Amino acid sequence: DTGVSQNPRHKITKRGQNVTFRCDPISEHNRLYWYRQTLGQGPEFLTYFQNEAQLEKSRLLSDRFSAERPKGSFSTLEIQRTEQGDSAMYLCASGTGTGGQGPNQPQHFGDGTRLSIL
Amino acid sequence: AQSVSQHNHHVILSEAASLELGCNYSYGGTVNLFWYVQYPGQHLQLLLKYFSGDPLVKGIKGFEAEFIKSKFSFNLRKPSVQWSDTAEYFCAVNPQNSGYALNFGKGTSLLVTP
Repeated sequence: DTGVSQNPRHKITKRGQNVTFRCDPISEHNRLYWYRQTLGQGPEFLTYFQNEAQLEKSRLLSDRFSAERPKGSFSTLEIQRTEQGDSAMYLCASGTGTGGQGPNQPQHFGDGTRLSIL
Repeated sequence: AQSVSQHNHHVILSEAASLELGCNYSYGGTVNLFWYVQYPGQHLQLLLKYFSGDPLVKGIKGFEAEFIKSKFSFNLRKPSVQWSDTAEYFCAVNPQNSGYALNFGKGTSLLVTP
């Protein structure tokens, strides 16, 4: 299966610790997205990369969150000084696209990283 | 606030029953529309999408959806559900010329009983 890969699948950490998640998109996909999903809700958009450029960030992405995609391939999402409210499933998606706006092609999702804050 | 509304949070149907899941959105202008499905223990998968053209779109596994612009709706339908359709269904909207994010509804949990 050459789908979107996310690691780790589960992360349990104490409040105040830093965590980092990794996403490996489908290899030919130039677009990469991060979403967060809490229980009973749909995914909420966090940020978007086109190649290595971070082109869009949600207001949900506080200054404790940072995302990178240094070579336009894999991406990392780091949360510093974690809080109870950060407990969620963090989803990565990838896709292709041309043009300046909009998801011209559908987004393909990974299995997610479930973060639990003790 | 702009949003995506899925009216049915939990639906229980018997096999062979017909399915219709509602989705309404409040974004103006042109939109791209999607339905995603999440089977138990699996990742989100695309069921179908609408970008333009025929407002009745067909997806995988016998699903279809109809875009009604005047009603800001994109309802999902299937004439006869199977036990294997038990899953969480999410409607998502991307307003064109408004960024790259998909805006998801809260989802509808469908349970199909034998």
